[in-house]
Amino acid sequence: QKEVEQDPGPLSVPEGAIVSLNCTYSNSAFQYFMWYRQYSRKGPELLMYTYSSGNKEDGRFTAQVDKSSKYISLFIRDSQPSDSATYLCAMSPSNYQLIWGAGTKLIIKP
Amino acid sequence: EAQVTQNPRYLITVTGKKLTVTCSQNMNHEYMSWYRQDPGLGLRQIYYSMNVEVTDKGDVPEGYKVSRKEKRNFPLILESPSPNQTSLYFCASSLQGSTGELFFGEGSRLTVL
Repeated sequence: QKEVEQDPGPLSVPEGAIVSLNCTYSNSAFQYFMWYRQYSRKGPELLMYTYSSGNKEDGRFTAQVDKSSKYISLFIRDSQPSDSATYLCAMSPSNYQLIWGAGTKLIIKP
Repeated sequence: EAQVTQNPRYLITVTGKKLTVTCSQNMNHEYMSWYRQDPGLGLRQIYYSMNVEVTDKGDVPEGYKVSRKEKRNFPLILESPSPNQTSLYFCASSLQGSTGELFFGEGSRLTVL
């Protein structure tokens, strides 16, 4: 079993919908949680960063961490076609080791 | 412009022919790392470096070598490439380890025949 599980999708939703992307993990030592966005033929770029539990909001994006359930989520409100990309979750117990999910491909239909 | 530059972007080679993928960053970052990305497996770390002359193995180091002689450069060396090293490779750098914001290069797609 992988340390980090992420549904690869694709997830296809209409423009304007609320999108929910999720990852589950098994290592209770994870403290740092990140979401990266990767457009086709590009390198990933950091979207959201959370330390320990709780919520973090940035514009249309909200990241949630539930350490008791070992579950993290990324919500996108008012989704746009430009949000179409692969979303990668990543998490770490320390400053040196980062464990990645396989990525969820998101398609926003105009 | 702050960036991580990888070369070559695309390469087709044959089994056993040594190759080097270069990586350079202009952000004065101490931390640099190499990843490979394969369908269904996500990003897997090959090697990382916390600073000049300091390198360490990641999750999948077999068949790869790295060196960090200068802060800005972190080349990935495949001494004797094999077909199972066909993959998309990314170099990344960060100001503060893997939990800081990682800046990625555009990727190098390698095919080993």
